[in-house]
This record gives sequence, C-alpha cells and structure tokens, in this order.
Amino acid sequence: KAGVTQTPRYLIKTRGQQVTLSCSPISGHRSVSWYQQTPGQGLQFLFEYFSETQRNKGNFPGRFSGRQFSNSRSEMNVSTLELGDSALYLCASSQPGLINEQFFGPGTRLTVL
Amino acid sequence: AQTVTQSQPEMSVQEAETVTLSCTYDTSESDYYLFWYKQPPSRQMILVIRQEAYKQQNATENRFSVNFQKAAKSFSLKISDSQLGDAAMYFCAYMALGDDKIIFGKGTRLHILP
Repeated sequence: KAGVTQTPRYLIKTRGQQVTLSCSPISGHRSVSWYQQTPGQGLQFLFEYFSETQRNKGNFPGRFSGRQFSNSRSEMNVSTLELGDSALYLCASSQPGLINEQFFGPGTRLTVL
Repeated sequence: AQTVTQSQPEMSVQEAETVTLSCTYDTSESDYYLFWYKQPPSRQMILVIRQEAYKQQNATENRFSVNFQKAAKSFSLKISDSQLGDAAMYFCAYMALGDDKIIFGKGTRLHILP
C-alpha cells in the first residue's frame, strides 16, 4: 500500500503570494490532518478533515485554510504569505475505527522570501 | 489545555548502549494515547511506539520500550542497544481518545556516537 504523499516537496514563494499544498492519504484513509513544523514553535496542529468536513482546527489565522475532496485528498492553502510561514508542512492520514494512528507524509518545505 | 514537555533538547549515547528520553504531559482527560515519533534527517515522521492510557502494561517494540507512569504523567522512552540508525529527532506526543489532533513536545535530538 502506498504511503502518504505530499506535493510539492519544496516550494519557494515571496511575501504576499499565496500557496496551495497537496496531500494524498493512504488508500482507504478518510481523515487527513495538517501540521506546521518550525524550529521555534515545533509541531503545531493546523486542522483535520474527515469526509470533506473540517472537524478540528488549531490556533492559526484565517489565512490558513484547507479542504478535502471526495477521494479524501486534501489541500492546504495559505494566502498573503508572511516570512514566518516558512516551515515544513506535514500531513497525516488515519483510518477511522482504529486508534487513529496517524501516518505522516514526507512534508512540503515552504520557504517565504 | 493539554501540553507535552520534553526537557532534554539533545542527548548523546554510545553505540550499543542504552538511553532514556524523558517526557511529561498534562491533561485532565482519563483516556488518551501517548506516542513516541522519530524524525530522521529525511524528515519522515515515523511512529516508534504507542501507549494506551488505560493499559497499565508498558508498551514494547523490539529495542524500544516505554515507562508509563499515569499518576505522575510521565512517559519516557528507553532505547536499548542503540544503533547508528537511531540518530534522529524524537517527539513525544499526546492524543485524546476520539480525537485526531496530536499535541507534540518540542523534541529531543539524539546523537549516536560510534
């Protein structure tokens, strides 16, 4: 079974631009969660989607948004990029019914200049 | 709010020796899960071991074992017979029952000395 995939792996943007990151979960997994990883703040939960609905949201500004499609693939969007948005963005998928063990993708490294 | 604290930013251990990584957490929940994740330089987050809070028995996965002290809210990871491939960032993490939100500690960078 293929693991969680994230595209692109690396991205460079400038302040003020917007960016869209993609995450494809493991086949059969319907929940996708997003995390931001920075040296200063560590790993922080962004949001979680299940069956196309956002079920949980972390403490991030409204510039961070996401969605999930009917095939469980998820996208995360950041508008009006700031330098502080430079981070590794990880997504994780899980299968309902188990203990919600989350399987992580390799991440997208976003650099904002 | 739940928090996870890892007090050791970095640790080193000689190859083949044993090392223990510390973690404490705070929660008012009685049912939850605790995890140790490993993140090597490749950045891929890998689950090392998990513990269900309702289980008194400490989890074990080959060379990895935990010391779960629920009353003390402590969850340490012991790595036996350390190998060079164990070098990585280790994150202690918490998840409430029925939730999909993982709360991570700041991590401990483990160096393996040959």
